Amino acid sequence: EVVLTQSPGTLSLSPGERATLSCRASQTVSSSYLAWYQQKPGQAPRLVIYGASSRATGIPDRFSGSGSGTDFTLSISRLEPEDVAVYFCQQHATSPLTFGGGTKVEI
Amino acid sequence: QVQLVQSGAEVKKPGASVKVACETSGYAFTTYYIHWVRQAPGQGLEWMGVINPSRGTTFYVQKFQGRVSMTRDTSTSTVYMELSSLRSEDTAVYYCARGGSSSWYRDFDYWGQGTLVTVSS
Repeated sequence: EVVLTQSPGTLSLSPGERATLSCRASQTVSSSYLAWYQQKPGQAPRLVIYGASSRATGIPDRFSGSGSGTDFTLSISRLEPEDVAVYFCQQHATSPLTFGGGTKVEI
Repeated sequence: QVQLVQSGAEVKKPGASVKVACETSGYAFTTYYIHWVRQAPGQGLEWMGVINPSRGTTFYVQKFQGRVSMTRDTSTSTVYMELSSLRSEDTAVYYCARGGSSSWYRDFDYWGQGTLVTVSS
């Protein structure tokens, strides 16, 4: 099983600051099979990034993804109040599909 | 537009079974895999398995094998997830999510709103 470790657990920033979220895999994951999801309180997760670096439909361009191998990053260039959420990474390359533990972004 | 609408919250006693429905619309039902993911209170996301709505074939995570069953009704574009022998640790929000079309090794682009299942005596 591929274990995804996200850090930090909580990120507290001010509006307009840059947020950098990390996702580290226990074994190599093809970039095509790494996704990021945003989950706001009381809501279902929403796809933000797929294929490690492609923005999903309707996602603002302040969100970007990068990385390869075992280290992946989600960046939010200018934090907005509506970006407050928990962000999960997911690998869907090998079974079982797994998620990271999440990073909570606070303002 | 693509929608996945789940059935309402359930309260069950330990040892009972629960069946959650996920009604889809806005796309060709048999074309995309449907996954089930659960989230215990305050916890992360846990993948349970997947169903191919076209063939009805399934894959379950080993942890849930023997207790979970995923089925579909093509006449109503609805997928069902039934979990049996419930215990308190099964208390969670259960989500259905749409996966890929040619392979289930894909990200999840649309999600249901979630169904809270509470297991309590």
